[in-house]
Amino acid sequence: GENVEQHPSTLSVQEGDSAVIKCTYSDSASNYFPWYKQELGKRPQLIIDIRSNVGEKKDQRIAVTLNKTAKHFSLHITETQPEDSAVYFCAARAFGNEKLTFGTGTRLTIIP
Amino acid sequence: GAVVSQHPSWVICKSGTSVKIECRSLDFQATTMFWYRQFPKQSLMLMATSNEGSKATYEQGVEKDKFLINHASLTLSTLTVTSAHPEDSSFYICSARDGGVAGDYNEQFFGPGTRLTVL
Repeated sequence: GENVEQHPSTLSVQEGDSAVIKCTYSDSASNYFPWYKQELGKRPQLIIDIRSNVGEKKDQRIAVTLNKTAKHFSLHITETQPEDSAVYFCAARAFGNEKLTFGTGTRLTIIP
Repeated sequence: GAVVSQHPSWVICKSGTSVKIECRSLDFQATTMFWYRQFPKQSLMLMATSNEGSKATYEQGVEKDKFLINHASLTLSTLTVTSAHPEDSSFYICSARDGGVAGDYNEQFFGPGTRLTVL
């Protein structure tokens, strides 16, 4: 089955700087890669996703890149703000598979 | 986006009792619903996948007789934790995919979660 690894597990960034979180996946059939933000005690919220037919997607301060050959994808947050502090999860899903496989999460702390 | 509700948001029960958690898709039909368990500072672990009108598919290591799942309609799935014990204390989150949206890239929408504490 699919295995998703995520790094780093914790990340502290000065406010205004950029943050990068990286994930690798094992199943070459995976074609959907969402990123979720989860605040303490709350539900995961989708912040951006990317399909396997594109290499990069951007939404304001958030961008995701995908390298299918290397089977890794990354989340980039620019101009970080205190409200970006949360736990971020990457996930992957293969074509025809209903299940999302989640990474282990990254606790991002923005230092004011 | 679509809305998924979950009830109750938190529950405290005595060891040995059963607890039922409801998950509803409010504005779409969810042909597939998922139940996750999340321990503190850990990732979401899929427990089971349920399709409306059929038996749930449980992940390896999840006891189907302990975690009963019923997906009776396109908008409701329930998870019953039977004979709960302290080690079952966790954050349980459901999610649903919109069966009415074409394509394989259907977004999953998550419920707000239920925090279960077993004394």
